[in-house]
This record gives sequence, C-alpha cells and structure tokens, in this order.
Amino acid sequence: GNSVTQMEGPVTLSEEAFLTINCTYTATGYPSLFWYVQYPGEGLQLLLKATKADDKGSNKGFEATYRKETTSFHLEKGSVQVSDSAVYFCALSVRGTDKLIFGTGTRLQVFP
Amino acid sequence: DTAVSQTPKYLVTQMGNDKSIKCEQNLGHDTMYWYKQDSKKFLKIMFSYNNKELIINETVPNRFSPKSPDKAHLNLHINSLELGDSAVYFCASSLMGYRTDTQYFGPGTRLTVL
Repeated sequence: GNSVTQMEGPVTLSEEAFLTINCTYTATGYPSLFWYVQYPGEGLQLLLKATKADDKGSNKGFEATYRKETTSFHLEKGSVQVSDSAVYFCALSVRGTDKLIFGTGTRLQVFP
Repeated sequence: DTAVSQTPKYLVTQMGNDKSIKCEQNLGHDTMYWYKQDSKKFLKIMFSYNNKELIINETVPNRFSPKSPDKAHLNLHINSLELGDSAVYFCASSLMGYRTDTQYFGPGTRLTVL
C-alpha cells in the first residue's frame, strides 16, 4: 500500500539552528511528494513539492529532494526562525488515486 | 480573496443531531475533497469529487453524505452525530485531481459533539 512515515515530534530548536525533518514513503507507482505546513489555528498550506526523482522543491528557505533510491523526501532549512513554529506534514499522491496520503505530522517549536 | 472557504468555522452540537458544513472554492478547480483531522493531527481523506462526480469514498460511515451542487461547491452533511465525529474537517480543491496538482485547503471547521 501507500504510506508516509515522518519523524515524531516535537522538534525543539533555537532560532538560527539547522532543521531536518525526516520523511520516507512507500508507494505503488510513481508518487508526487509534498510538504504542507499548518500554522496554529489555520488550514494547511503547500510549502513545497517535487513530482519526479531528483527534483528539489524549495520555498521560504526550506528544501527537500525527491530521493527514489532511499524513498525519502527530507525537509531541511539552514536557519529557522520563531515564525517557522508549526506542524509540518509530508504527503504523497499516486496516479490513479489522486488523493493526498499524509504522514502523522511533526511539530516544530523554535525558541528565541 | 479567499480561495477555499468553509462555513462554519466552529460547530458545537449534541449527539444525535444532523449538521452540515459548506465549502466553496473560487479557483476554477475541477476537483474538491473533504479531509478529517483527528485530535492527534492525523489527516485522512474522506471524499473527493471531480466536476460534481464522486471519485473517492474512503470507507466513511454512510451517516456522512457529500453533495456537490456545482464544481465550485462541496458540502458535507452528517446525520446522527456521534462523539467520535469530533474533529477538524478540511475542504480542499485542486485543478484537475492529478497526482502532480497542488491541493489548496480551506481554514477548517472544528466540530465538537457533546
């Protein structure tokens, strides 16, 4: 079946620290991969995506590379800010189903 | 301009009642979805519609009935509400429903069943 596994949180960092949130997937077929972010009390927003192997998605200083050989899509940011505190969801979509399958979410807390 | 809107934002009701949540998108998208987010933040697809036609029905109890009067609207009606229905319900839309499409989410409706 199709599934996404994310590292458990919360991840607690000081401002300007380096961030990595791990995400691995299992998929039948060739998935597209996404990172969505949910700020407190809000809906989900797309952070970045990659639709084929070796693609790198990037936005707002965040990056993730689609690694087919390791079935991974880890999220990284070189220097986090307090405003990055949110829940981050890794997700995939497979042709023929077209729904998003989400990981369990990882809460990031950044302190000044 | 709000891309995907939902009403109401909060809904508190008693067990056994019937309630509806409305969703509208002004993006011109063909596909709309309902997701449920439980208390642990886990998100799961419930339904999807493409141009008013039901595409995905993800083993949701038949007390839940989606209705799409046109491709810009997807409403969710819930009969005989149960405690376990308490959750945040998100509406979303995408251009064509392809695997590469970005899904745009509404702000959510927090349903509390007492």
